[in-house]
Amino acid sequence: DTAVSQTPKYLVTQMGNDKSIKCEQNLGHDTMYWYKQDSKKFLKIMFSYNNKELIINETVPNRFSPKSPDKAHLNLHINSLELGDSAVYFCASSQTSGGWETQYFGPGTRLLVL
Amino acid sequence: AQSVTQPDIHITVSEGASLELRCNYSYGATPYLFWYVQSPGQGLQLLLKYFSGDTLVQGIKGFEAEFKRSQSSFNLRKPSVHWSDAAEYFCAVGAVGSQGNLIFGKGTKLSVKP
Repeated sequence: DTAVSQTPKYLVTQMGNDKSIKCEQNLGHDTMYWYKQDSKKFLKIMFSYNNKELIINETVPNRFSPKSPDKAHLNLHINSLELGDSAVYFCASSQTSGGWETQYFGPGTRLLVL
Repeated sequence: AQSVTQPDIHITVSEGASLELRCNYSYGATPYLFWYVQSPGQGLQLLLKYFSGDTLVQGIKGFEAEFKRSQSSFNLRKPSVHWSDAAEYFCAVGAVGSQGNLIFGKGTKLSVKP
């Protein structure tokens, strides 16, 4: 069983479209994250939710809106997609929100905006 | 502000040779330190982490890392590299009270020559 899964794995879309990426974890963790990895492989946190509540919201355009319907799911909706949004988006989870916790990563969603 | 520096963008070693990947961090106190590995097209997997105690940490796949406070370093080592170790390696720091916010270095790509 996959611990942290994301769908879709690949997403190719036109500028201006709206798209969603879904993430699910079956580890029973309380905390989930979204990271963006750019073309140079640099990883930066975007959001973090703990028990369905937003606890980290980095400087991300408000076109990006995370939603956590329950502890096991954290979805990312992106409005009005731009070329610069092309990247790999990783979902991750950890037992708690403590800085010492191991984060378990999903396989990534490769988004290409044309 | 916290930061992580991985000075080597790309390293090539021969199979069977030893490996050391460098990581330096900037933080006012002792941080939580992590090494993650990303195989091509995959998500990140934790190799090892340090947050207290013995400064030499053992991880999976035969990797180890040593925390040196005086040098603000957390270098990753392996005595004998295997072809399957070819991947991207990321050092990360998590601060006390960071709410799980990991700061990643820019990564070091490891290539292994037969």
